[in-house]
Amino acid sequence: AQSVTQPDIHITVSEGASLELRCNYSYGATPYLFWYVQSPGQGLQLLLKYFSGDTLVQGIKGFEAEFKRSQSSFNLRKPSVHWSDAAEYFCAVASNFGNEKLTFGTGTRLTIIP
Amino acid sequence: GAGVSQSPSNKVTEKGKDVELRCDPISGHTALYWYRQSLGQGLEFLIYFQGNSAPDKSGLPSDRFSAERTGGSVSTLTIQRTQQEDSAVYLCASSLMTGGWAGANVLTFGAGSRLTVL
Repeated sequence: AQSVTQPDIHITVSEGASLELRCNYSYGATPYLFWYVQSPGQGLQLLLKYFSGDTLVQGIKGFEAEFKRSQSSFNLRKPSVHWSDAAEYFCAVASNFGNEKLTFGTGTRLTIIP
Repeated sequence: GAGVSQSPSNKVTEKGKDVELRCDPISGHTALYWYRQSLGQGLEFLIYFQGNSAPDKSGLPSDRFSAERTGGSVSTLTIQRTQQEDSAVYLCASSLMTGGWAGANVLTFGAGSRLTVL
């Protein structure tokens, strides 16, 4: 069965600084990988996804993520964070058979300080 | 509708009472998912539907939990004899079902139903 590990429960970053959120997955074949963001009181919003092809994927709000098969990782990055990026970030993995459930990590809470 | 709609947004109930949570998916989305998010926890999968059938209900925590979907659209999650540990945000999501197409796993989430059991 697939699983996802987000080793950082809480990260604090200064506004304007770069950001990297870690995600490691466990799955026997090529996975589908996702990052979702949840702002306070909001539902989850898809930031980006990886299905195949280019291992560096671009998402909304200036985020990007890189799939590294050798490290079973799919880390999320942003070169310069904004105060509005403060939220909970979830990495998720799905099998490549389509329309099966997503397995989520436990999330990383991002705090932005001025 | 334009998005996934869930109701009620907040529900406070007494231990032992039954509750029903409703999800109205995006029109045309044939797959529907229920997740639970407890305080400080990630998202816990409960059940998913393809049309009106539920191929995977492995995440339902006990037989007090049940879900149904009618007309390939609206779904109801029912929790009987609620317990305090049932307090959580219950999230619904929907996606297109295209039999293996990569886009099938892109879930659109509702804002959730926050359940508090006193």
